[in-house]
Amino acid sequence: AQRVTQPEKLLSVFKGAPVELKCNYSYSGSPELFWYVQYSRQRLQLLLRHISRESIKGFTADLNKGETSFHLKKPFAQEEDSAMYYCALNAGGTSYGKLTFGQGTILTVHP
Amino acid sequence: DSGVTQTPKHLITATGQRVTLRCSPRSGDLSVYWYQQSLDQGLQFLIQYYNGEERAKGNILERFSAQQFPDLHSELNLSSLELGDSALYFCASSVGLASYNEQFFGPGTRLTVL
Repeated sequence: AQRVTQPEKLLSVFKGAPVELKCNYSYSGSPELFWYVQYSRQRLQLLLRHISRESIKGFTADLNKGETSFHLKKPFAQEEDSAMYYCALNAGGTSYGKLTFGQGTILTVHP
Repeated sequence: DSGVTQTPKHLITATGQRVTLRCSPRSGDLSVYWYQQSLDQGLQFLIQYYNGEERAKGNILERFSAQQFPDLHSELNLSSLELGDSALYFCASSVGLASYNEQFFGPGTRLTVL
């Protein structure tokens, strides 16, 4: 069975500082990894997915199969980045759209 | 608003009762997903329907059932409710069946079982 671990429940940084939200997974196959974000009083929404290899709102995430990690990084945090971040995994194949979520990390960016 | 809608927003009921949660997907989306979010379990996948057919199943209890209707809206039925079923229930939708399709989430239904 697959599992996603986000070791930090809370993460605080100051504006302009680099930020890294950690995500580790356990799955023996080739998973697809995602980051979802929920801003205050908004719905959960997709931030980025590893297959797209894109940068969204300055965030990037690289899938490291050797370390089974998919950490989310941003070089210069902004106050508007404060939100709850979830890492999620899809096992592919007949899992279709089933996502396994981590417990989430609350990021607070201080002015 | 053409986003995912869920009704009701809040539901308070007693143990042993049965409730139905409703979800309308985004216009054009054929897949509907149900998730349960609780303090101890986090966000857990329950079930996925695509164009009326069940396609993926998570650790959904036997007391829970879902269906997707021809107009693509979906209902999640929870029966013989227990205190532990108190949670936020999210519905999401996506265009297709595959994992790479972005899932768009609804605002959730907060269920309280007393």
